[in-house]
Amino acid sequence: SQQGEEDPQALSIQEGENATMNCSYKTSINNLQWYRQNSGRGLVHLILIRSNEREKHSGRLRVTLDTSKKSSSLLITASRAADTASYFCATDSLYNQGGKLIFGQGTELSVKP
Amino acid sequence: DAGVIQSPRHEVTEMGQEVTLRCKPISGHDYLFWYRQTMMRGLELLIYFNNNVPIDDSGMPEDRFSAKMPNASFSTLKIQPSEPRDSAVYFCASGDWGQGGEKLFFGSGTQLSVL
Repeated sequence: SQQGEEDPQALSIQEGENATMNCSYKTSINNLQWYRQNSGRGLVHLILIRSNEREKHSGRLRVTLDTSKKSSSLLITASRAADTASYFCATDSLYNQGGKLIFGQGTELSVKP
Repeated sequence: DAGVIQSPRHEVTEMGQEVTLRCKPISGHDYLFWYRQTMMRGLELLIYFNNNVPIDDSGMPEDRFSAKMPNASFSTLKIQPSEPRDSAVYFCASGDWGQGGEKLFFGSGTQLSVL
């Protein structure tokens, strides 16, 4: 079964607005990662946050992690049309041998120019 | 680095035929993963290898699916016989957890259509 569940399933915003995507998971984790997938392409790693971290930034990306609620959020600030893609969270469970990432269903983001 | 290379990019076959998907991971990566993506089920982990040894194949749907990694630079995913419900995009990904990498690099995928 899927470890991570994203919310919302789809999000449509105007260029310049902020986009927030949420991810919930079920079991304790070593880390949580966010990936991006452009249509017809493979996934690309965006950012990793460890279980002992609460917030992390990378350029226009901000990720938060709340282990007590087993949830994470990805914020993209000042969105651009080029940010249009699907975004997935992936969890590295504490109970698995290293490397086993389980992906959520993804959020489809559409940024209109 | 050329990244993770998958072939073929597209495969169309008829039900009952054998299908072989190929993957060349990034040199030096010690983990290799096979995922399947469909609209209904999302991204499913099928199997993964560490240093060419299969670690977890619990995601392999049934005995029709098999995967091998004969050396550090090559892996195959075979479906025999193929069925229409196997139609999906199959991704190979590699990572270097052994060196503290902890993230995956994905290939461009193989779009499989079983008629």
